[in-house]
Amino acid sequence: AAGVIQSPRHLIKEKRETATLKCYPIPRHDTVYWYQQGPGQDPQFLISFYEKMQSDKGSIPDRFSAQQFSDYHSELNMSSLELGDSALYFCASSLKRITGELFFGEGSRLTVL
Amino acid sequence: AQSVAQPEDQVNVAEGNPLTVKCTYSVSGNPYLFWYVQYPNRGLQFLLKYITGDNLVKGSYGFEAEFNKSQTSFHLKKPSALVSDSALYFCAVRDKGNQNTGGFKTIFGAGTRLFVKA
Repeated sequence: AAGVIQSPRHLIKEKRETATLKCYPIPRHDTVYWYQQGPGQDPQFLISFYEKMQSDKGSIPDRFSAQQFSDYHSELNMSSLELGDSALYFCASSLKRITGELFFGEGSRLTVL
Repeated sequence: AQSVAQPEDQVNVAEGNPLTVKCTYSVSGNPYLFWYVQYPNRGLQFLLKYITGDNLVKGSYGFEAEFNKSQTSFHLKKPSALVSDSALYFCAVRDKGNQNTGGFKTIFGAGTRLFVKA
């Protein structure tokens, strides 16, 4: 079965650089979520999209932005990177936004030097 | 706001013994509760959920969880632990989110690391 696809799996950036993460949700899933997970921490909700419209925002810095495109894939854009942005970034999708479980991608590990 | 608490950072159990990973919740309205498992450097995997109905929910890999409304708990259990069950376990609750935009988000507990010793 198709899963959530994230790219790249790993990336290394310098401080103040920009990074873009991509997510391809499971076909027919109408909701996409972005989470950030620091070392040894629980996933922190960043932002979500329902039917390509932004539906909720969490602890997403102003330096970050995200969008969902007509083909349902989503991109998380991160600018002016800081050392503290180093983390695992997960994308997840869901078939039912209220009661449906989340299907996670394998994550993108961002290291900021 | 909805929240879940996992009181144990770590649970140790011997292989073949029963295991319990604890979770308590705080919600307004109907609770939608989930358990996920995470292996090192991997994405979270869904184990089971409680939406409504029977208080005992059965999930993947022989795991089950009991919804207890009076104790506001949703403990994860397995009758006989395997070494391969060693992982990080997250309890989660669906939050109403931004009702103006129809947003619903999942809030995770801090996680409990399970060690199963052979």
